[in-house]
Amino acid sequence: AQTVTQSQPEMSVQEAETVTLSCTYDTSESDYYLFWYKQPPSRQMILVIRQEAYKQQNATENRFSVNFQKAAKSFSLKISDSQLGDAAMYFCAYNVPPLFGSGTQLTVLP
Amino acid sequence: EAGVAQSPRYKIIEKRQSVAFWCNPISGHATLYWYQQILGQGPKLLIQFQNNGVVDDSQLPKDRFSAERLKGVDSTLKIQPAKLEDSAVYLCASSLDWQMNTEAFFGQGTRLTVV
Repeated sequence: AQTVTQSQPEMSVQEAETVTLSCTYDTSESDYYLFWYKQPPSRQMILVIRQEAYKQQNATENRFSVNFQKAAKSFSLKISDSQLGDAAMYFCAYNVPPLFGSGTQLTVLP
Repeated sequence: EAGVAQSPRYKIIEKRQSVAFWCNPISGHATLYWYQQILGQGPKLLIQFQNNGVVDDSQLPKDRFSAERLKGVDSTLKIQPAKLEDSAVYLCASSLDWQMNTEAFFGQGTRLTVV
């Protein structure tokens, strides 16, 4: 069975700095999708970025980028130039329907 | 484009009572999901519909939970009777077609408190 592990329950970053959130997963599939979702206090899950496993190039969306290491089954999220609005719970997810990790609570310090 | 709509946003009930949640997915989305998110945890899939058929309900506690999507659009999730451990946020999501691995869009959820 597939699993998704986020080993950092909480992280903090200074405004304008860079932070990296970690995620590892386990699967026997060769073709799949990985996602990072953001969940602010409003509770609505918002897609931040997605990566297709067959693509070697790491996905990038503005200040958000991933480091996808397929052999290591690692999928980390880098947030550059952190903003106060980035504060939220971040979930790593595998495939569709999304299988979620336990989340990382990100605090952005002014 | 309207997003996934859920109601109510909050519900407080006593244990052993029943409760129902409603979800209206994005227009044209064939796949609809219900997730349960217990405080401090990631969401867990309860049931997945493709149009009005069930694709996966292996994680749904069928002795007390039921869900339907009769016309392949709106869906309701019911709990009867509720237990204290059912206190959670219930999230509804939809996607164009899960077999195409298209993105799932989420509603704002219903926070259920069972006292």
